[in-house]
Amino acid sequence: GNSVTQMEGPVTLSEEAFLTINCTYTATGYPSLFWYVQYPGEGLQLLLKATKADDKGSNKGFEATYRKETTSFHLEKGSVQVSDSAVYFCALKNSGYALNFGKGTSLLVTP
Amino acid sequence: NAGVTQTPKFQVLKTGQSMTLQCAQDMNHEYMSWYRQDPGMGLRLIHYSVGAGITDQGEVPNGYNVSRSTTEDFPLRLLSAAPSQTSVYFCASTPGNYGYTFGSGTRLTVV
Repeated sequence: GNSVTQMEGPVTLSEEAFLTINCTYTATGYPSLFWYVQYPGEGLQLLLKATKADDKGSNKGFEATYRKETTSFHLEKGSVQVSDSAVYFCALKNSGYALNFGKGTSLLVTP
Repeated sequence: NAGVTQTPKFQVLKTGQSMTLQCAQDMNHEYMSWYRQDPGMGLRLIHYSVGAGITDQGEVPNGYNVSRSTTEDFPLRLLSAAPSQTSVYFCASTPGNYGYTFGSGTRLTVV
């Protein structure tokens, strides 16, 4: 079946540090991959997506590249801000419409 | 354009009570789904619908019922609430192979 594995949190970084949150997946075929972000007390918002191998999704300084050879979709940002503190979810969508989520990684950025 | 609207935002139920969580979207999306979010578990799919009159079970359907009489509405019913159903519930919709739009969630406590 489909599954997503994310690095365990919480991750604590100083402002302007480099961020990497690892995400690997298991799926048959060619899934679409997503990163969602959840700010405290809010619902999930789509951060970025990639629909085929070697695609790079990007938004708000965040990037992730769809690597089929390593079945990975790691999230990166070159310089984090306090406002980036949130929970980040990696997800995949295979045939059909259901999303399979990772367990989420909590990020805390300190001034 | 309101997106996905969930009501209520908070609810406390006694064990054995029933209630309906409401979800409405105004984007004419065919696909709608319900997830529950529990600490350390990520989001798990409860039920989904690919169009009016069509529903199916997700990963954790027990204790929940759904119906889809219109494209806009997708209510989730708890017939006899149990403490194990204490969670945050999210409704989401998508037009197809794109990112999902999530509601802001319903925080349910069953005592």
